Parts: sequence; structure tokens; C-alpha cells
Amino acid sequence: KAGVTQTPRYLIKTRGQQVTLSCSPISGHRSVSWYQQTPGQGLQFLFEYFSETQRNKGNFPGRFSGRQFSNSRSEMNVSTLELGDSALYLCASSSGQGEGEAFFGQGTRLTVV
Amino acid sequence: AQTVTQSQPEMSVQEAETVTLSCTYDTSENNYYLFWYKQPPSRQMILVIRQEAYKQQNATENRFSVNFQKAAKSFSLKISDSQLGDTAMYFCAFDLSAGGTSYGKLTFGQGTILTVHP
Repeated sequence: KAGVTQTPRYLIKTRGQQVTLSCSPISGHRSVSWYQQTPGQGLQFLFEYFSETQRNKGNFPGRFSGRQFSNSRSEMNVSTLELGDSALYLCASSSGQGEGEAFFGQGTRLTVV
Repeated sequence: AQTVTQSQPEMSVQEAETVTLSCTYDTSENNYYLFWYKQPPSRQMILVIRQEAYKQQNATENRFSVNFQKAAKSFSLKISDSQLGDTAMYFCAFDLSAGGTSYGKLTFGQGTILTVHP
């Protein structure tokens, strides 16, 4: 079956702009989690959605937001981009129930200039 | 809050040898999962092995095994018969669970870069 698909793979934006990243989970998975990966801070949890509801949220400013659609696809949005938002953004999907394994996408590399 | 610490930024091993990666964690919770993930240069995070906190038996997946010491809050990964394809960044991760369900909110360590030499 198809894996987790993140689009786009690469993105270059200017400070102050906003950006939307997309994640299509594995078919049948209802949970989508988002992570930010940077050399300095490592991997940090952003938020997790299950059946269109945000169940968990990390410690990121309100400029970072997300949503999940009825087909479980998820988007995350970052407004008023800052240079420090440059990172690899990873999304993971799981069944959201039991000890479901989290499957990761290949990530979106965002560069803010 | 939970924390995960990997004290070895880099490790290297010869092909076919055995290597152990260290991980310690801190939590006041009793129900949780521990994971080791591998991230090769392709960036795709791949689950290597998983351990449920309530299970005393150490998890094993082919050449990969863990040494889970709950009281010491230690969770090391042993890779036997190392292969060139094992070269990657390895992350130790923690997730709380409720009623056997993972929260889906992984806390990661800083990672260990493992290089396998021919």
C-alpha cells in the first residue's frame, strides 16, 4: 500500500510570507502527527490530529497551525515566516488506536530567506 | 514533561561487528512506549524496534534488540552483525499511552550518528 506522502518536498519562502504543507496518510490511518526537525533543536512535536480533531499540541507559537480533513489528509500552516522556521517538517501517520506504529513521510524541506 | 537523552553523538563500527547505542529517559508516568527510529540520508524515518513499558521481556527484531531497564529508565539498542545499510542517524523516542493506545506525541532524543565501515 502507498506510504505517507508529503508535498511539496522542497520549498523556499521569504520572511513574512506564509506557507502550507500537506500530508496524505496511509489509507485507513486516522492519526497524523507533525514534527519539526532542525540541527539545533532536533525533532520537536508540533501537533497531532485524529479524526479531524487536534488531540495533542506541542510548544510552538500560534503562527503554527494545522487541520485535518475528513479523508484524514492533513495540512499545516505557518504564517509570518521567520528565518528560524527553516527546517525539515515531517509528518507521521498511524491508526491512532492501540500501539499503532507511526509511519513517516519523507518530509518537506522549508527554507526561509 | 518527558525527556529523552542520547549521550553518544556519533558511533562507528566495523561491518559484521556489534554496536550498542545508549538512551535514557525521564518520566513520572508508568504507561508508555519506547522506540528506536532510524533516519538514513534519504531522510525517511523508519521504525527499528518498539518496547511497551509494561513488558519485562526485551524486544527483538532480527539483528536488533533492546536492553530495557525500567527502574533505571534506560533503553539501549544493540545491533548485531552490522551492515553497511545500517549507517544512519538513530533516534530514541518516547510516547505516553493510555489504555494501551499511544498518544501519537513522540519525544525524541538528539540522535546518534552511526557509521558502519567496510
